Amino acid sequence: DSGVTQTPKHLITATGQRVTLRCSPRSGDLSVYWYQQSLDQGLQFLIHYYNGEERAKGNILERFSAQQFPDLHSELNLSSLELGDSALYFCASSPRRQGTEAFFGQGTRLTVV
Amino acid sequence: GDSVTQMEGPVTLSEEAFLTINCTYTATGYPSLFWYVQYPGEGLQLLLKATKADDKGSNKGFEATYRKETTSFHLEKGSVQVSDSAVYFCALSAPGSGTSYGKLTFGQGTILTVHP
Repeated sequence: DSGVTQTPKHLITATGQRVTLRCSPRSGDLSVYWYQQSLDQGLQFLIHYYNGEERAKGNILERFSAQQFPDLHSELNLSSLELGDSALYFCASSPRRQGTEAFFGQGTRLTVV
Repeated sequence: GDSVTQMEGPVTLSEEAFLTINCTYTATGYPSLFWYVQYPGEGLQLLLKATKADDKGSNKGFEATYRKETTSFHLEKGSVQVSDSAVYFCALSAPGSGTSYGKLTFGQGTILTVHP
């Protein structure tokens, strides 16, 4: 158990809908990262928050947004969903801003139908 | 930009065979290097890491040495077990700013299957 909790584990929704994925980092970790894993793109970095502030953006679509709350949990919001958004979404946390390993949750499998 | 290239898979071995999974990287500065493992239906688990040149990371019989001159971080294990069957990802975290800040850049993953 990595100590990172993601909910829900599975999500099935229709095209055009909006979903929210939730992540609770390890106790004390200030950094939260979101990654998307798909068969064709592999593991892609989406966004990084540190202590409530956005620190870096990767290949994140404009339809996607995220935030980190004062209690350090994070949410990834995906809207106007398309079939191609079907993927495994991972959250990871680490204690510092960079250069250290990240601890991953078990992921949320999103299926858009 | 930063990138990680892993040997193409899948890799199929018999139990007790020697394992090597090649990993090379491109990065600015001096990255930290990692191997993560993903078992079926689970998230990624850190297997080992190295933070500077010539460091050797090791865990559960797996080893990898940070080779700056060849920009490589190959994963090795002397005797694999059926329970090692999983997907292995090489990754780097490069110091920097902007879009590279703090993120991990992953290779494409190598599927390892070990038969009894």
